[in-house]
Amino acid sequence: AQSVAQPEDQVNVAEGNPLTVKCTYSVSGNPYLFWYVQYPNRGLQFLLKYITGDNLVKGSYGFEAEFNKSQTSFHLKKPSALVSDSALYFCAVRDGPGNTPLVFGKGTRLSVIA
Amino acid sequence: DAGVIQSPRHEVTEMGQEVTLRCKPISGHDYLFWYRQTMMRGLELLIYFNNNVPIDDSGMPEDRFSAKMPNASFSTLKIQPSEPRDSAVYFCAVRTTASTDTQYFGPGTRLTVL
Repeated sequence: AQSVAQPEDQVNVAEGNPLTVKCTYSVSGNPYLFWYVQYPNRGLQFLLKYITGDNLVKGSYGFEAEFNKSQTSFHLKKPSALVSDSALYFCAVRDGPGNTPLVFGKGTRLSVIA
Repeated sequence: DAGVIQSPRHEVTEMGQEVTLRCKPISGHDYLFWYRQTMMRGLELLIYFNNNVPIDDSGMPEDRFSAKMPNASFSTLKIQPSEPRDSAVYFCAVRTTASTDTQYFGPGTRLTVL
């Protein structure tokens, strides 16, 4: 069975500093990995995904994520945080291609402080 | 949120009443998902459909919950009778045939059962 873990419920970072939101996964096959962001009173919005290829994936709003197969991780990063990045971030995984739904983590709340 | 319409956006009802949540997905989808989000349990998959046919409803918490998809343009999630513990944000999401790896979420319905 596939699963994903986000070990931090909350991440606080000062504006302008780099941010990292952590995610580890477990699948039996090849992982398809995703990050979504949820702003207050909104649905989840797709940020980026890793399917294959370059381990560093770039997405919307200046975010990027690094796939690390040996550590089974897919951490979300941004070089310089903005106050407007404050939101709830979800990591998700699916075991390879196919038709099964994504499995989401519990989410990490990011607060960027001015 | 673009393309997936949910109504109502907010619903307040009393315990025992029937509640119907609605989803109008964008065209070009083949899968439709219903999720529930609470602080305690995070994002839970309730049920999903493929080409209007229910595939897996194992996430539906009780027989009080039912979902239908009479056509490709419309789906409902019904709770009868509702209970205070059903209070949550309910999301509809779709997967499109053009981008089969990614799920797109609606804005959600915030349900409060008093």
